[in-house]
Amino acid sequence: EIVMTQSPATLSVSPGERATLSCRASQSVSSNLAWYQQKPGQAPRLLIYGASTRATGIPARFSGSGSGTEFTLTISSLQSEDFAVYYCQQYNNWLAFGQGTKVEIK
Amino acid sequence: QLQLQESGSGLVKPSQTLSLTCAVSGGSISSGGYSWSWIRQPPGKGLEWIGYIYHSGSTYYNPSLKSRVTISVDRSKNQFSLKLSSVTAADTAVYYCARVFEDCSSTSCIVGWFDPWGQGTLVTVSS
Repeated sequence: EIVMTQSPATLSVSPGERATLSCRASQSVSSNLAWYQQKPGQAPRLLIYGASTRATGIPARFSGSGSGTEFTLTISSLQSEDFAVYYCQQYNNWLAFGQGTKVEIK
Repeated sequence: QLQLQESGSGLVKPSQTLSLTCAVSGGSISSGGYSWSWIRQPPGKGLEWIGYIYHSGSTYYNPSLKSRVTISVDRSKNQFSLKLSSVTAADTAVYYCARVFEDCSSTSCIVGWFDPWGQGTLVTVSS
């Protein structure tokens, strides 16, 4: 079983600043990683797949990087609508989510 | 634009079977290259993958739930379903259905990411 660990649990950021979220896999998942955004009361929304490919309609301020066991989601300049919980998900060996990182207003 | 909508009982008694259906609109559930999945989220907690049904009809379940889960598809109604037996309070959650994309290389395909998701339906297990 591959365990996905996200850090930090909560990230406090001011609007307009950069946010960097981390996701670590307990063993290599190659580039088989996706990122999702979830706002309160809503279903998750796909942001990134293949570790770095933005999904359709996702703004360019969202970028993903990494491979193997270490991955990063970067939001280059936080907008008000970006404050949410973010999840990573590996699909290299079965499917599994990280526990989430909450991005809150500083 | 593909849309998914969950429906089913919102309240289930302990030891009984939870049953949900996901109606797919704007596309065919028989389209190749996709699987169809259920994911759940206990209140205030993270996401847990439950299982998926491949376009061929093969099913794959989270090992932690495998003994209690059945996912099936009704192609005539363009929908798929979830049954979870012997439920307890720990099964209380928002249940989502989602399409799963395949990620294919030159030699093989793997089941990948979830997009889109249904809006979710809260199922409470209580007597």
